[in-house]
Amino acid sequence: AQTVTQSQPEMSVQEAETVTLSCTYDTSESNYYLFWYKQPPSRQMILVIRQEAYKQQNATENRFSVNFQKAAKSFSLKISDSQLGDTAMYFCAFAAGAQKLVFGQGTRLTINP
Amino acid sequence: EAGVVQSPRYKIIEKKQPVAFWCNPISGHNTLYWYLQNLGQGPELLIRYENEEAVDDSQLPKDRFSAERLKGVDSTLKIQPAELGDSAVYLCASSEGREETQYFGPGTRLLVL
Repeated sequence: AQTVTQSQPEMSVQEAETVTLSCTYDTSESNYYLFWYKQPPSRQMILVIRQEAYKQQNATENRFSVNFQKAAKSFSLKISDSQLGDTAMYFCAFAAGAQKLVFGQGTRLTINP
Repeated sequence: EAGVVQSPRYKIIEKKQPVAFWCNPISGHNTLYWYLQNLGQGPELLIRYENEEAVDDSQLPKDRFSAERLKGVDSTLKIQPAELGDSAVYLCASSEGREETQYFGPGTRLLVL
């Protein structure tokens, strides 16, 4: 069974700083996808970034980038120039082929003014 | 393009009462998911549909939960009778295909008294 672990329950940084959220996963699959989702307070889950395991290049989306280390089964999210609107729960998730998304426990990120 | 629509957004019921949640996926998305999200945790899959067919319902408590997706478009999740422990957020998501990115609705927050 696949598992996803987010070891940082909470993080807090000042606006404009860079922050990195950690995620590790465990799987025996060779072909899979990794995701970071953002869930603002009382609002819906939004896709932040997606990474295909077969791609060596790390995915980026504007201020969001990942550090994908396949051998180490690590998938961290870096947020550059953090903004107040980045305050949210961040979930790391894993999917192998047609199987279900498996989510981590989440990291509550607070951006302070 | 409209996102995943869910209703109601909030529901308060007494235990042992029935409750139903409705989801309309993004147009053209064949795969539909229902997730359960307990407070402070990541979502967990309840059931996945490919068109009208429930292809993964292994985590659905079938003694009290049921779901349907008639005509392969919108879907209804029902609980009867509800228990105190069912208080949670029920999320619906959809994707173009079973290996594609999942997009989430705003969820239905259920409180069972």
